Amino acid sequence: AQSVTQLDSQVPVFEEAPVELRCNYSSSVSVYLFWYVQYPNQGLQLLLKYLSGSTLVESINGFEAEFNKSQTSFHLRKPSVHISDTAEYFCAVSEGIQGAQKLVFGQGTRLTINP
Amino acid sequence: ETGVTQTPRHLVMGMTNKKSLKCEQHLGHNAMYWYKQSAKKPLELMFVYNFKEQTENNSVPSRFSPECPNSSHLFLHLHTLQPEDSALYLCASSQLDRPYEQYFGPGTRLTVT
Repeated sequence: AQSVTQLDSQVPVFEEAPVELRCNYSSSVSVYLFWYVQYPNQGLQLLLKYLSGSTLVESINGFEAEFNKSQTSFHLRKPSVHISDTAEYFCAVSEGIQGAQKLVFGQGTRLTINP
Repeated sequence: ETGVTQTPRHLVMGMTNKKSLKCEQHLGHNAMYWYKQSAKKPLELMFVYNFKEQTENNSVPSRFSPECPNSSHLFLHLHTLQPEDSALYLCASSQLDRPYEQYFGPGTRLTVT
């Protein structure tokens, strides 16, 4: 069975500092990997995804994540955060396209940006 | 209205009440989902509907009864709930050929007293 572990439940950082949110997964088959973001009082939004190809994927607002098969990780990074990045971030995994309706989510990491 | 909407946003109910949660998507999607988000626990998939047909029931107790009258609307009927059912209930939708790209509503915060 698949599982996702987000090692940090909360990450406080200062504005303009770099940040890394960690995500590790376990699965016996090839996987698709996702990061979703939940801003206060809103639903989750897809931030970025890894399906195949380049192991480094980027979002439109400066986040990136790298699929590392040997370490079974998909950490999320941003070189310089902004106050508006304050949100909860969820890593998710699915077993290929057929299993993509059954996303398995991590517990979430709350990112707090301090001025 | 755009995106995925959910009503009510907040609901308090007793254990003997019957209530319903409503979800509506305005995105032309053909798959809809119910999730449960409890404090300090991962998001849990409850039900999946494809073209109004239920394709997934993730061992959800029968006190939760979903209904999908068409591809745009999804309901979750609640009866004789328990306090541990208190949570944020999220609805999502997607296209069947992009099932990983799910669009979520803001959720209904349910409190069972």
